[in-house]
Amino acid sequence: DQQVKQNSPSLSVQEGRISILNCDYTNSMFDYFLWYKKYPAEGPTFLISISSIKDKNEDGRFTVFLNKSAKHLSLHIVPSQPGDSAVYFCAAAKEVEKLTFGTGTRLTIIP
Amino acid sequence: GAVVSQHPSWVICKSGTSVKIECRSLDFQATTMFWYRQFPKQSLMLMATSNEGSKATYEQGVEKDKFLINHASLTLSTLTVTSAHPEDSSFYICSARRFGVTEAFFGQGTRLTVV
Repeated sequence: DQQVKQNSPSLSVQEGRISILNCDYTNSMFDYFLWYKKYPAEGPTFLISISSIKDKNEDGRFTVFLNKSAKHLSLHIVPSQPGDSAVYFCAAAKEVEKLTFGTGTRLTIIP
Repeated sequence: GAVVSQHPSWVICKSGTSVKIECRSLDFQATTMFWYRQFPKQSLMLMATSNEGSKATYEQGVEKDKFLINHASLTLSTLTVTSAHPEDSSFYICSARRFGVTEAFFGQGTRLTVV
């Protein structure tokens, strides 16, 4: 039972444009959501998070939006840069329990 | 802050031998550490959760006798793959978390190849 889903396995975006990565979840008990970035053969790097009491959190070029009614969150990267090419995982947690990860989206930024 | 170091980065071992992977939180006390496994082009699969000073909690389908986890201190957890087989070849990643904080910080991962 995949409680956190990233339906797009890959995404290509032109450099300078906006990258939008999507994530859906099924467990309404999740109250904290995170995005991680991962390069090949490395551990994931924490990017940004959002609590369920908010609908938006911004940190530099990264913004995460949360739509609780739709059980959907998205990560916006603008402007996209070549170094953003990586696999992005969304993750969700209930209170301070273990993280449940999505399947990942491979983002490729085209110069 | 929040640096997690994992060692070794890669290891090749013979079938039937055991391999130990270390995960250290360098600048914070990690009350909880997690061990993941990632197969090629797949998501991170949580293997077990370990809390300092207590036994690890294994996810369904993970053999606790094969994947021994020890969390002896607030800065160190180890994963030992016992009697390794080629199908254990994978990328193993640890993460660590402070008490009461949801964000988990990850180590660099360990590429295990069993020949």
